[in-house]
Formats: sequence, C-alpha cells, structure tokens
Amino acid sequence: GESVGLHLPTLSVQEGDNSIINCAYSNSASDYFIWYKQESGKGPQFIIDIRSNMDKRQGQRVTVLLNKTVKHLSLQIAATQPGDSAVYFCAENTSGTYKYIFGTGTRLKVLA
Amino acid sequence: EAGVTQFPSHSVIEKGQTVTLRCDPISGHDNLYWYRRVMGKEIKFLLHFVKESKQDESGMPNNRFLAERTGGTYSTLKVQPAELEDSGVYFCASSLQGNQPQHFGDGTRLSIL
Repeated sequence: GESVGLHLPTLSVQEGDNSIINCAYSNSASDYFIWYKQESGKGPQFIIDIRSNMDKRQGQRVTVLLNKTVKHLSLQIAATQPGDSAVYFCAENTSGTYKYIFGTGTRLKVLA
Repeated sequence: EAGVTQFPSHSVIEKGQTVTLRCDPISGHDNLYWYRRVMGKEIKFLLHFVKESKQDESGMPNNRFLAERTGGTYSTLKVQPAELEDSGVYFCASSLQGNQPQHFGDGTRLSIL
C-alpha cells in the first residue's frame, strides 16, 4: 500500500481491548481537527472531527479528545475489532484556509 | 451516493512523459482538493478549487503541475514533464462546503521510471 517506505509508529492491541492513538499537532491557530482511517490500497476515510470549542466528541465506538493547551489530539476506539486494523491519521485545519495538514500516521494492528 | 472517484488507480510512465490524473468529486460538492504523498512523507496539500476557480494553489510544487476544473465538475491534474520525484500517491478530496469534512478518493499511484 501507500505506506511502504513510511516508518510509522505501530500500536498493537488485543481484539476487544480499547485503543488510544495520539497525535501532536503543530499549529496553535488550528481550530478544526479530523481523524481519518486508511486501509491498504484505499484513500483516507473520515472517522470523526472536532472543533476547538470542544474538548471531547463521541461517535460510534470512537471518542476524540482535544487538549489545546499542549496541542494534543487523541482517538479512542472502544472494543477494538480486526476491521479496525489500518493506518490512522490526524489532520488539522485553520479557519479561513481549507487545506488540511496531516500527521505522519499510526498503524493499528489488532491481534486475535 | 457515489464517493470521490479517481482514474487511473495506477499509472507507470517514463521520466519526461506526460500524465493526466482525473478526479470526480461527490455530486454537488463545490469544493475539490488535490493532495499527494510522496515516498516517506506525509500527505501534503496541493490545491483547492471552489467550483471552477482555484482558491489556493500554494501547495503546487512547480510549474510542471497543472490542475483544471473546467465546468466546475471533475478535475484533472497534469504533470508535464514527469520527473522521478513526482512518484507517489495523488489523492483527490471533495467537500460540500469549505468548513465541512473532506472526503477522499482512493488515490492514483503514480510511478515514474
């Protein structure tokens, strides 16, 4: 897949456990944050987003936490399943611009 | 609803040749974006269209790259002449409005020999 050549940090979790994927973003002016999941041979798939006026947002089995003080974003996946195995990217955006700045990604491996 | 579609999925060409990538956004999405990931690097923004107008092309690497969106529907990204460092995966994304999530296609893997 596209990740060949990228030395991605890898998180290995047991099936059924919770996963926490972390991301440090770069721009203190960023006010919109998105998590994407990318499976091999596919494009980034939107998971969940959060704006800077919130510090937590929940979706189905996923929660995003935002700590603006330390410019840190996390994605929590509850009851991790084999289908969650993928590379996860955070992206940041600043109001008034529409380009996303992507992180390097984290590979999540779910162990049976 | 069909997602963002990109064509071709793979392209292998020789240095110096020309290649044109196509992106069909989600129907009704006025905002269209091009990104790319070259080997070993993060996904990087190239440019942004609103309908047929280029809103931001700050990420275009050089004048060998030309993006168009005539009629405000599909977009093309032409690389002429292609160089070895252009190899990578080129993604297209679209959004209904600029402040809404961008939805990505599966990309075109471009290999320059």
